[in-house]
Amino acid sequence: DIVMTQTPLSLSVTPGQPASISCKSSQSLLHSDGKTYLYWYLQKPGQSPQLLIYEVSSRFSGVPDRFSGSGSGTDFTLKISRVEAEDVGVYYCMQGIHLPGTFGQGTKVEIK
Amino acid sequence: QVQLVESGGGVVQPGGSLRLSCAASGFTFSSYGMHWVRQAPGKGLEWVAFIRYDGSNKYYADSVKGRFTISRDNSKNTLYLQMNSLRAEDTAVYYCAKGGVAMVRGVIITRAFDIWGQGTMVTVSS
Repeated sequence: DIVMTQTPLSLSVTPGQPASISCKSSQSLLHSDGKTYLYWYLQKPGQSPQLLIYEVSSRFSGVPDRFSGSGSGTDFTLKISRVEAEDVGVYYCMQGIHLPGTFGQGTKVEIK
Repeated sequence: QVQLVESGGGVVQPGGSLRLSCAASGFTFSSYGMHWVRQAPGKGLEWVAFIRYDGSNKYYADSVKGRFTISRDNSKNTLYLQMNSLRAEDTAVYYCAKGGVAMVRGVIITRAFDIWGQGTMVTVSS
């Protein structure tokens, strides 16, 4: 199985400041069709996960533009340009190029 | 609105069985693949199983293969997970999620899980 490694595992951010989460995969997530199957999810406290980003950098419907994804091959980053109180929770990256889809360990984001 | 609602969780003894259900509404259930994903207490997310929109293809995580069976009834807009021979390590919140799996140029890819249910808790304990 592909191993997904996130850093850091926790992050404390002042509201209005940026935040960045790294995700590295043990194999390239680039498919021969030209797409890279890397997703980001946010699990807010007490809630189920929700999709934020698909195929590295495409924001899902309704996701604020302060969230952005980037990267290629095996190295990916989720950035929040200005953290808001509602952004707290655990962020997970997930790969979809190899079955089973596997998730990173999660990065807990809290507000200072 | 688009919604997935799980039910059927509970406490079961090791070796026992349980069937989870996931009722879908707000979208054409019969047109989409569906997954089960679980989360052990205080832990991360683990994909469990997938079923194609028409039930023709099913995939399972190695950890549940041979013990769990995913199925669906498109006439009832409902997804199921039959769990047999349950173990303590199966204790988790079980989420259903909408998303596809496709064969693209010989590689099975998993598309994003764009809708998730609220989850149902399964506890395996004596």
